[in-house]
Amino acid sequence: NAGVTQTPKFQVLKTGQSMTLQCAQDMNHNSMYWYRQDPGMGLRLIYYSASEGTTDKGEVPNGYNVSRLNKREFSLRLESAAPSQTSVYFCASQNRQMYTEAFFGQGTRLTVV
Amino acid sequence: QKEVEQDPGPLSVPEGAIVSLNCTYSNSAFQYFMWYRQYSRKGPELLMYTYSSGNKEDGRFTAQVDKSSKYISLFIRDSQPSDSATYLCAMSPDDKIIFGKGTRLHILP
Repeated sequence: NAGVTQTPKFQVLKTGQSMTLQCAQDMNHNSMYWYRQDPGMGLRLIYYSASEGTTDKGEVPNGYNVSRLNKREFSLRLESAAPSQTSVYFCASQNRQMYTEAFFGQGTRLTVV
Repeated sequence: QKEVEQDPGPLSVPEGAIVSLNCTYSNSAFQYFMWYRQYSRKGPELLMYTYSSGNKEDGRFTAQVDKSSKYISLFIRDSQPSDSATYLCAMSPDDKIIFGKGTRLHILP
């Protein structure tokens, strides 16, 4: 029972470097989400994808891009990392037609120095 | 004004007490309400969800939604030290899920 799998679990980047956070789900869910979590800020939505081939901006999309590669995979890319992007990133997936819960991955702890 | 407001705490209560956690919201389009629990260094896990106004009970947990006041609550009865965690309310209009900031709860043995 893998559920939602995020890679990597930890990453340290230098300012200006790029990287892609990977997320895959095996529950055949149509909706997928990327959130960042900072102390005292809760979970803030970066981007979401309601179905394969569609993506939409959330509350804090600046500095990020996403790709919904197929129904299983939803990646988040930082083109030029900044210290303000130091955070814990969570991917989630949900079967919206059934209004079921959103399942979360275990998170990626990213530090930009 | 943020769409979802939640007091971040921390909230400390003695073991066995009844805990009340609350959120307010501003968007009347929200129709689906959830409570998640998050332990340190873990992803959030769903505790309860509901679509409508009223109460929903699951063991020691009761979720309450008042759409007329745009107010939701989570009650924990007979609180245990293992309930110590961050509790996040979440709401959904249709196509995305918006979270509150989370309330850190400490249950004192």
